[in-house]
Amino acid sequence: EDQVTQSPEALRLQEGESSSLNCSYTVSGLRGLFWYRQDPGKGPEFLFTLYSAGEEKEKERLKATLTKKESFLHITAPKPEDSATYLCAGRVGSGNTGKLIFGQGTTLQVKP
Amino acid sequence: GAVVSQHPSWVICKSGTSVKIECRSLDFQATTMFWYRQFPKQSLMLMATSNEGSKATYEQGVEKDKFLINHASLTLSTLTVTSAHPEDSSFYICSAGSRTGSPDTQYFGPGTRLTVL
Repeated sequence: EDQVTQSPEALRLQEGESSSLNCSYTVSGLRGLFWYRQDPGKGPEFLFTLYSAGEEKEKERLKATLTKKESFLHITAPKPEDSATYLCAGRVGSGNTGKLIFGQGTTLQVKP
Repeated sequence: GAVVSQHPSWVICKSGTSVKIECRSLDFQATTMFWYRQFPKQSLMLMATSNEGSKATYEQGVEKDKFLINHASLTLSTLTVTSAHPEDSSFYICSAGSRTGSPDTQYFGPGTRLTVL
């Protein structure tokens, strides 16, 4: 069965304290690993798509990496505005018709 | 970036009534749209995949006669919750993939909060 698991479930950081979020996946025929940010009461906001092991992508304080079994979202020197729930998802099927299998998310709280 | 809208953003209805939620891709054409449901403090669960001009494909355990999906055009998909009950109260989110495929992702709407009394 295809599955995506995120850890930790919740993470509290002090402003400036770097850390990593983990996403483990068992998705047969994975066609992309996606990271989204979701604020309370809103839809997910796209962050990154990774396709192959060894790939890395960066955006401001965030960097996503991918191995054959896991993906990590590294947060460097976070700020309070980085507080949100971060979701990862594996895609089954190619292109824009492929469906996403979401992990349960990591809720990040960054304290000033 | 691509924009997906949903209407309404929230709705309260009485048990037994039907509610329609619209999902529109505002600046791109989407051959495929997806409908998700999210319960409090839980992740997104895919309900169905909606293809323009054809019948939706429902995930296992989702009642197709209760959750009616119509994808009438490349920019509009609707989800109708028929004979809603309190257990249908949830956050419903749609997404769409751009036909151009760049960037390669699904764009999500802002969600619709449904409360059934």
